Parts: sequence; C-alpha cells; structure tokens
Amino acid sequence: GQQLNQSPQSMFIQEGEDVSMNCTSSSIFNTWLWYKQDPGEGPVLLIALYKAGELTSNGRLTAQFGITRKDSFLNISASIPSDVGIYFCAGPGSNQGGKLIFGQGTELSVKP
Amino acid sequence: GAGVSQSPSNKVTEKGKDVELRCDPISGHTALYWYRQSLGQGLEFLIYFQGNSAPDKSGLPSDRFSAERTGGSVSTLTIQRTQQEDSAVYLCASRLLSNQPQHFGDGTRLSIL
Repeated sequence: GQQLNQSPQSMFIQEGEDVSMNCTSSSIFNTWLWYKQDPGEGPVLLIALYKAGELTSNGRLTAQFGITRKDSFLNISASIPSDVGIYFCAGPGSNQGGKLIFGQGTELSVKP
Repeated sequence: GAGVSQSPSNKVTEKGKDVELRCDPISGHTALYWYRQSLGQGLEFLIYFQGNSAPDKSGLPSDRFSAERTGGSVSTLTIQRTQQEDSAVYLCASRLLSNQPQHFGDGTRLSIL
C-alpha cells in the first residue's frame, strides 16, 4: 500500500538554527501536506503543495514538492521554542474520498 | 463551535468493555474522517463519511470497530470488547469541499487497562 517515509524521526536543535526534514514515497502523490501537532492537540495544516516543483513559504517555513512527485521537504528557518512539536507529511490516499496517508512524524525539540 | 469538537478528551476503561467516542464536525462540513494515532506514530485512517454514508471503511482494523453518522453532522466511533492494543488517540477531521484541507479535533485519548 501507499506509505510515506519521513526523516529524521527526531531532532534536537539550538534556538536560532535552521531545520530540514523530508518525506519520500515509493508511489506518486499529487498533493503534499505538512502538518504540525502540539502535545494533546490535533494536527494543524502548515503548508499545502499541489504542483510538482512548487516551492511555498509560510513565514519561516518553506516546503517544496519534489519534481518526481515522490518526495517533499520542509525547512524551518531561525527556529524558536514554540516550533517544538511533531511535524507530519501527508498525502491523499489512493481511494476516492480524500483520506490522508501520514508519515511517521519528525519530533522537533528546540533548546533555548 | 468554530472547530471540530471531540468527546471525551480522555477515556480509561477496562479490557472487554465497549466505548463510544464522539465527533462534532465544523458546521456545514459534509466530509468527516476518523484516524487513529498510536504512541509515537503517524495517523492511520479508519473511516470516511460523506454525509451519512460511509463510502470508505477500509481502515477499520476489525469488526469490533464501527462508526455511524446521523443528520450529516455528529459521528460516533464505537469499539466493542476493547483490547489493550486499542489504546491510542482517536482523531476526527472534517472538511467542506474536496479541494479544501481537513480540520482536526484534539482527539480522544483512549487507555485500555
């Protein structure tokens, strides 16, 4: 079945550093989504990508939809303590209806 | 309310009991999704509703799991004869149109003793 492989699993960084995480798949996705989940809360959409090669920013966050349609990355620049959380990539499943397939998540810790 | 509302936020129950989890989607959202998130894992799709019908139940892990949606709004996910491996956070999401993102609730954390 469809799977998304996300790396790294966890990151420990110093405040102010830049962060990069990526997501790969063995099958093509037509949409890539990046979510952030804070403890005890549901995921919140950060960035949505709809075209191969697309590069989209949302404040200090930048995400790209890979040309092959099988990968995407998310960069966070100048990290701050509130960036702490789990970041998930996601894409639409193969059935109609819009269910999402999620990566395993990247847990980000930021040391002040 | 403005967002997706789930209740209870936490549920602890004994193995073998039945549990019901509730999701109140954003008003007017016709599509509703249930996901399960085990500790340290990503979200795993369970079931999708369009209105009151469930065209995709492919993620339900066993026949102990069922869900319904009435009036095109509130949905309940029922787990019968709970097992310890059912312990997880159960998340609900809704969306208005197919080209719009899913909005998630904060989930129900289910613990089976």
